[in-house]
Amino acid sequence: DQQVKQNSPSLSVQEGRISILNCDYTNSMFDYFLWYKKYPAEGPTFLISISSIKDKNEDGRFTVFLNKSAKHLSLHIVPSQPGDSAVYFCAASRRALTFGSGTRLQVQP
Amino acid sequence: DTEVTQTPKHLVMGMTNKKSLKCEQHMGHRAMYWYKQKAKKPPELMFVYSYEKLSINESVPSRFSPECPNSSLLNLHLHALQPEDSALYLCASRAGGPYNEQFFGPGTRLTVL
Repeated sequence: DQQVKQNSPSLSVQEGRISILNCDYTNSMFDYFLWYKKYPAEGPTFLISISSIKDKNEDGRFTVFLNKSAKHLSLHIVPSQPGDSAVYFCAASRRALTFGSGTRLQVQP
Repeated sequence: DTEVTQTPKHLVMGMTNKKSLKCEQHMGHRAMYWYKQKAKKPPELMFVYSYEKLSINESVPSRFSPECPNSSLLNLHLHALQPEDSALYLCASRAGGPYNEQFFGPGTRLTVL
């Protein structure tokens, strides 16, 4: 039973445009949500997080939105850059992190 | 120092070998984690140590044996592994409190022949 789902395995965006990555979860006990970026053969790198008591958190080009009633969160990257090309994992926290299956983002120059 | 280091980077072992993976952090974090990641899959939690005590074991087979000798070090001892145990093994650490992000090491790529 996947408690954290990323239904889009891949996303391709033009440089300078907005990238929107989506994530859904089923467990209402999750109280903290995170986005990680991962390159092949490397560990995940933390990007941005949001507590369940908030609905938006912004850090530079990255914004995370949380819709608790829909059990949905999204990561917006504006503007997208070629260096953003990687696999993005959504994770939800209770005792430890539960990861989604990842979305591969390709930013075309 | 905001880094989690893992050694070795790559490990090839036979099914009868005994080997160990090592993880180190000097950020003063008191929670440390082992995750396993298979190709094209998300990381899956194996073990959690909190204040040097094992707090979570996600029903991991006994051929994987974690050890936390001190607050900076985390080991994963491997014995009699199977080829299906081949994966990227990731270590992570987290500062105290429930909301802090986990910092991941680069991982050890393990191949079991």
